[in-house]
Amino acid sequence: DAGITQSPRHKVTETGTPVTLRCHQTENHRYMYWYRQDPGHGLRLIHYSYGVKDTDKGEVSDGYSVSRSKTEDFLLTLESATSSQTSVYFCATHQSDGLTNYGYTFGSGTRLTVV
Amino acid sequence: KQEVTQIPAALSVPEGENLVLNCSFTDSAIYNLQWFRQDPGKGLTSLLLIQSSQREQTSGRLNASLDKSSGRSTLYIAASQPGDSATYLCAVRPTSGTYKYIFGTGTRLKVLA
Repeated sequence: DAGITQSPRHKVTETGTPVTLRCHQTENHRYMYWYRQDPGHGLRLIHYSYGVKDTDKGEVSDGYSVSRSKTEDFLLTLESATSSQTSVYFCATHQSDGLTNYGYTFGSGTRLTVV
Repeated sequence: KQEVTQIPAALSVPEGENLVLNCSFTDSAIYNLQWFRQDPGKGLTSLLLIQSSQREQTSGRLNASLDKSSGRSTLYIAASQPGDSATYLCAVRPTSGTYKYIFGTGTRLKVLA
């Protein structure tokens, strides 16, 4: 989706190094999410944000942190990368006006390999 | 705890067939349900979004229905084409908790020419 850009698209990193993935949106959506997708596990929520500086943990948050200093950017940091964090990471956004929920919009993903 | 199941995990059909993909969820307290398509190595593309007050939504050859009380949704694809080959995922947004969708693990569809 042209309104959500993830960077980098691909990254190979070494075990123990910190890594930051970026999600940038031009939709002005309030809610943003980071998921990881792995064979056999489907999509699992890592962290999400419900506003600037407002974030919370998802089901697989250990080893990850996030920050959201402005509406358009949501950063995911792997504090010390491990091989188990090799995955495809997706950012999603969502907007609701209180009456209607407009569903999710996804970015194209970042393929991360930890060696 | 809400759980979303999609059966079958994989499906192969000849071109031109009408087909139905299934999505089941354990808790009927949902705001809406969304169907996505994912091509290999790509992100998820939203196909249809059904609000809890709606029974179905249509887009071209796609029709999605929602039966909240029985915890089921179906995605109907008419006159399937090889270009429909992809993984199809459904996701529900529960009314409890915060603004998080729960995803099924998907049905991998292959339409044979």
